Amino acid sequence: AQSVTQLDSHVSVSEGTPVLLRCNYSSSYSPSLFWYVQHPNKGLQLLLKYTSAATLVKGINGFEAEFKKSETSFHLTKPSAHMSDAAEYFCVLPSGTYKYIFGTGTRLKVLA
Amino acid sequence: EPEVTQTPSHQVTQMGQEVILHCVPISNHLYFYWYRQILGQKVEFLVSFYNNEISEKSEIFDDQFSVERPDGSNFTLKIRSTKLEDSAMYFCASSGVGQYEQYFGPGTRLTVT
Repeated sequence: AQSVTQLDSHVSVSEGTPVLLRCNYSSSYSPSLFWYVQHPNKGLQLLLKYTSAATLVKGINGFEAEFKKSETSFHLTKPSAHMSDAAEYFCVLPSGTYKYIFGTGTRLKVLA
Repeated sequence: EPEVTQTPSHQVTQMGQEVILHCVPISNHLYFYWYRQILGQKVEFLVSFYNNEISEKSEIFDDQFSVERPDGSNFTLKIRSTKLEDSAMYFCASSGVGQYEQYFGPGTRLTVT
């Protein structure tokens, strides 16, 4: 069965320090994977996507993620956190044509 | 930039009442979806809709739920007789032909009392 696991429910970093949000997946075939972000009272916004091209994917707002098949991981990183990055982040596995499988989400807190 | 809109932002209803949640997908999209997120839990797929019929539905989407595209712009989710456990944030999404990427609305928070 396909699944997505986000290893941390909460992550706190200081402004200007690196961000690492971890995601592992389980899939019987080579998947596509996405990261979405949700700011308070806003819809889910696509940050970046992996669709079997380059394994290092760059997204909006300085975020990037690396697809590692050997580790079944798709961790999200950013070199330097900004206060505006505080939000909830979801790792998402498209399943077939018609639905997404969501991870449980990681709430990122950025400390001044 | 085009976006998915949802109304109302917050709906409070009594147990047993019918509710209809409204969504306006992006205008040239043909695939439509509903998801829900119970407080503190993960976002769960409910249903997908294409060409005026349900493409796929989860086990959550039982006979109490229905979806409709009543005109060329709206996409609705109806819950016939709400239960306390239906309290959740409901997200609508849409996607274009050949696109994996789904565009999400801001959600409707449904509170059943």
